[in-house]
Amino acid sequence: GESVGLHLPTLSVQEGDNSIINCAYSNSASDYFIWYKQESGKGPQFIIDIRSNMDKRQGQRVTVLLNKTVKHLSLQIAATQPGDSAVYFCAECRSNAGGTSYGKLTFGQGTILTVHP
Amino acid sequence: DTEVTQTPKHLVMGMTNKKSLKCEQHMGHRAMYWYKQKAKKPPELMFVYSYEKLSINESVPSRFSPECPNSSLLNLHLHALQPEDSALYLCASSQDFEQETQYFGPGTRLLVL
Repeated sequence: GESVGLHLPTLSVQEGDNSIINCAYSNSASDYFIWYKQESGKGPQFIIDIRSNMDKRQGQRVTVLLNKTVKHLSLQIAATQPGDSAVYFCAECRSNAGGTSYGKLTFGQGTILTVHP
Repeated sequence: DTEVTQTPKHLVMGMTNKKSLKCEQHMGHRAMYWYKQKAKKPPELMFVYSYEKLSINESVPSRFSPECPNSSLLNLHLHALQPEDSALYLCASSQDFEQETQYFGPGTRLLVL
């Protein structure tokens, strides 16, 4: 079935290292993807998004890469800081059979990022 | 300003109680959402309102009743809940319903006894 998933459920890095969080999706009709960060006790916080007509998008210390050939999405965080410790979710905006986007987000299972000082 | 507010932050209720969760946004967004999130799981969509009309109900039990009084407010009325309904209830909003970034509130932590 269609799904959005993550390769690694946990990721531990040292402060200052670069982090890479991966996400796989199976619906080739998906054309909008979002990364969210969720800290303990808080709601998901928008980090960055990318549409399917792009391969790469950069924000402040974050980069999202989209490989449509292998249906893979990644979030790169440069110079990871302890404040980046959180659960990271990728989310997929799924189209219906007719190709019209509902705007429904389907979330991946999440990756726990732990940054050690 | 990308703030979505939710009240209360925490709620404890018995299975015979009636309570309501409230969500508010002043970003002029025309789509609003309710999600349910269990511990260590991703958010699951419950309801979508677009232009104050219910667009999507993800087969949610009738003990959850959404309401959109106006374009800035979204309520979730709770009645006769079960202990398994205990979860974090998240509200989100987006400019429109199609392929727009959804901004989430902090959530209401609900415990049903």
